[in-house]
Amino acid sequence: EIVMTQSPATLSVSPGERATLSCRASQSVSSNLAWYQQKPGQAPRLLIYGASTRATSIPARFSGSGSGTEFTLTISSLQSEDFAVYYCQQYNNWPPWTFGQGTKVEIK
Amino acid sequence: QVQLVESGGGVVQPGRSLRLSCAASGFIFTSYAMHWVRQAPGKGLEWVAVISYDGSNEYYADSVKGRFTISRDDSKNTLYLQMNSLRAEDTAVYSCASGSSPRGGYFNFWGQGTLVTVSS
Repeated sequence: EIVMTQSPATLSVSPGERATLSCRASQSVSSNLAWYQQKPGQAPRLLIYGASTRATSIPARFSGSGSGTEFTLTISSLQSEDFAVYYCQQYNNWPPWTFGQGTKVEIK
Repeated sequence: QVQLVESGGGVVQPGRSLRLSCAASGFIFTSYAMHWVRQAPGKGLEWVAVISYDGSNEYYADSVKGRFTISRDDSKNTLYLQMNSLRAEDTAVYSCASGSSPRGGYFNFWGQGTLVTVSS
């Protein structure tokens, strides 16, 4: 099973600032990496797939990069609606599909 | 637009059974794999099970293997999760999600989830 590790657990950022979230896989997942956003009481929403492709309707301030075992989600200028928990997920070696433990982006 | 609506959750005693449903609309249900994912209170996401587009393949997390069964009824555009021998650690919000490909992929769309509480 591939273990996904996200850092940091919590990220405190001021609105308008840049946020950088990291995700590491225990072995290579190529570019088969997705990012999801989850707000309290809501279902997760797909942000990024293929490590760097934005899903439909996702704003350009969200970008993904990386391949192999190291990945990054960058939010270029945080808006109030971006404060949420973000999960990475690998879909290269399955089953199982595995998620990171999440990074909470909170208002500084 | 795509809609996934789960139902069937509730409070159940340890050892008992429950069946969850997920009604899908807004996409070609028969072309994609479908997943169940759960989230224990205050915890992260855990993949539970997947069924391929044609129902020919099913896979389960080790934590539920032998106790849970995933199935689909393409005539009703509905996904199911039969949960037997429930344990306290199965307490979670259970969500269905559509796969991006016929056999798996990433998770395109998610339902809001239904809460399952296993307690005596």
